[in-house]
Amino acid sequence: QSVLTQPPSASGTPGQTVTISCSGSSSNVGSYSVNWYQQVPGTAPKVVIFENTQRPSGVPDRFSGSKSGTSASLAIRGLQSEDEADYYCAAWDDSLKGWVFGGGTKVTAL
Amino acid sequence: EVQLVQSGAEVKKPGESLKISCKVSGYTFSAYWIAWVRQMPGKGLEWMGVIFPGDSDTRYSPSFEGQVTISVDKSIGTAYLQWNSLKSSDTAMYYCTRTPEYGDFDVHFDYWGQGTLVTVSS
Repeated sequence: QSVLTQPPSASGTPGQTVTISCSGSSSNVGSYSVNWYQQVPGTAPKVVIFENTQRPSGVPDRFSGSKSGTSASLAIRGLQSEDEADYYCAAWDDSLKGWVFGGGTKVTAL
Repeated sequence: EVQLVQSGAEVKKPGESLKISCKVSGYTFSAYWIAWVRQMPGKGLEWMGVIFPGDSDTRYSPSFEGQVTISVDKSIGTAYLQWNSLKSSDTAMYYCTRTPEYGDFDVHFDYWGQGTLVTVSS
């Protein structure tokens, strides 16, 4: 049981927008910034959004993040086949005194 | 270029000990925290603990406290994750990753190792 809650799967046809939610509490998402990691099967995770909305250099601008209260979202606009991966949200948790992750969402391009 | 290079896959028996490594390059080892993250087969990511190589300040997730030991050797820019007595439930992929701060700061894990697969089976 992960501390942050994500849907297990999301899908869309190429070109569509896919949105993934991440729900937490006041001790994590509600108080601290959310980061999103992409994990292509068989590879290490890679950050695609940090500090709720910031994109690292090299990450396409079709990836965007938002946060409101104790929930955050990752949107992939213009879904491409190369975006098929597992996506994890993460945040600092003040009760745990450490980082917590969501359970992950598998994104599929139909 | 920043790199975190982990040691190779391991196959061990229950009760055996193990120490896996994460050798960094391309940045000042003492300036960033190194965290370890577990991923059990088909499951999500779990933060295990973190160490600051500058002074070996180490913090553990309650779920892993007493189960593993995190350490560093500053002289060779390497962090370690160690078990004294492995269980079958320790079978997982283990990643090292770095972050500039520990605590309620706006930080993230920006570089990751390639992962070390640990298989524990009799």
